[in-house]
Amino acid sequence: QVQLQQWGAGLLRPSETLSLTCAVYGGSISDYYWSWIRQPPGKGLEWIGEINHRGNTNYNPSLKSRATTSLDTSKNQVSLKLSSVTAADTAVYYCARGGNWYLQLVAKFDPWGQGTLVTVSS
Amino acid sequence: QSALTQPPSASGSPGQSVTISCTGTSSDVGGYNYVSWYQQHPGKAPKLMIYDVTKRPSGVPDRFSASKSDNTASLTVSGLQAEDEADYYCSSYAGSNNVLFGGGTKLTVL
Repeated sequence: QVQLQQWGAGLLRPSETLSLTCAVYGGSISDYYWSWIRQPPGKGLEWIGEINHRGNTNYNPSLKSRATTSLDTSKNQVSLKLSSVTAADTAVYYCARGGNWYLQLVAKFDPWGQGTLVTVSS
Repeated sequence: QSALTQPPSASGSPGQSVTISCTGTSSDVGGYNYVSWYQQHPGKAPKLMIYDVTKRPSGVPDRFSASKSDNTASLTVSGLQAEDEADYYCSSYAGSNNVLFGGGTKLTVL
């Protein structure tokens, strides 16, 4: 059974760069796409982007200029960086497994990490 | 691209059925068979309930079913149980290398 455990800084100042990492246990990171999804407090979900082991990426057009995903197959980890954060980026950030590595953008996310609350405040 | 449209709330009594809609456009819900549904209990991560419009992952009760007609997808929960009370989100491939979620529906079991 695949499990995802994520971590990263929980409090950022405006203009700083958000950095989160998600470790995958119980399966190979090379077999799937891996997505990041966020949820502002009390609000709905927003897809950020995805990556596979070949480095193929897709991003939400509204975040594409600031979001970068990367993948370390040796550590079975996937990471997210979001630059120039503002208060609007305050949210719980989730990593999630997507479709098979050759199937991008299938909007199928299972399982999910436990979530990391990131607060942006001066 | 705007979020998919879901009713903010839905409710039903134990044992009843309730259907939640997810309305998009021909560029997302109506254009692809990549629609999924998620259940989220307070303070928890979402859980996949339906994918590829109608498919149920192993372990999800067959009380949960889904369909799609034109630009609207629907999730039906039959035989409502107390543990079904949660927020439900739809998601769809939206073209242009993007994925959209719905705004979420709070399901209350009366």
